[in-house]
Amino acid sequence: GESVGLHLPTLSVQEGDNSIINCAYSNSASDYFIWYKQESGKGPQFIIDIRSNMDKRQGQRVTVLLNKTVKHLSLQIAATQPGDSAVYFCAEQGFTGGGNKLTFGTGTQLKVEL
Amino acid sequence: KAGVTQTPRYLIKTRGQQVTLSCSPISGHRSVSWYQQTPGQGLQFLFEYFSETQRNKGNFPGRFSGRQFSNSRSEMNVSTLELGDSALYLCASSFLAGGEVLTFGAGSRLTVL
Repeated sequence: GESVGLHLPTLSVQEGDNSIINCAYSNSASDYFIWYKQESGKGPQFIIDIRSNMDKRQGQRVTVLLNKTVKHLSLQIAATQPGDSAVYFCAEQGFTGGGNKLTFGTGTQLKVEL
Repeated sequence: KAGVTQTPRYLIKTRGQQVTLSCSPISGHRSVSWYQQTPGQGLQFLFEYFSETQRNKGNFPGRFSGRQFSNSRSEMNVSTLELGDSALYLCASSFLAGGEVLTFGAGSRLTVL
């Protein structure tokens, strides 16, 4: 499969436990944040997004929390499953005259142990 | 409906050559963005096209260029290849330009020898 990164932070969790992946973003003007999941050999896949006027958003088994004061984003995965094993990226988008330019974080490797 | 399609999936070139990568967005999507992914630098924005116009450009040298056709398909070109250009090149599409979820293709893996 594709190598998506070396020396990535790694989070190992037991199957069934909750996972929390953290991300610090850089631009205080960013107003849109997205979490992507990338499995080996595939492109990033959308998980959940949140806009800057919110501090929490929930999806199916996933929750994103946004703390604009400290420029921090987190992704919580409930009841982690083996299929959740992947690299997770946060991405931020600021208003740059329109457009879809995303700035990605370095990524976190999530490993789910049986 | 079909996802974002990138061709070729894998290719090997030598230094000094040029390469053209192709991206077909999801039907109806008018915005196409390109990203470079390497182990050292992670995912970096190259450029974005919307309705055949370049909307944004990342911090890459002029050897990296792109274009978009009237059917929204896009190509990117890298001339005078360098070893450091070895990377996974990802294309993403969305309906509008700005504040939308991007759908990524599987990427084109370029190896420069």
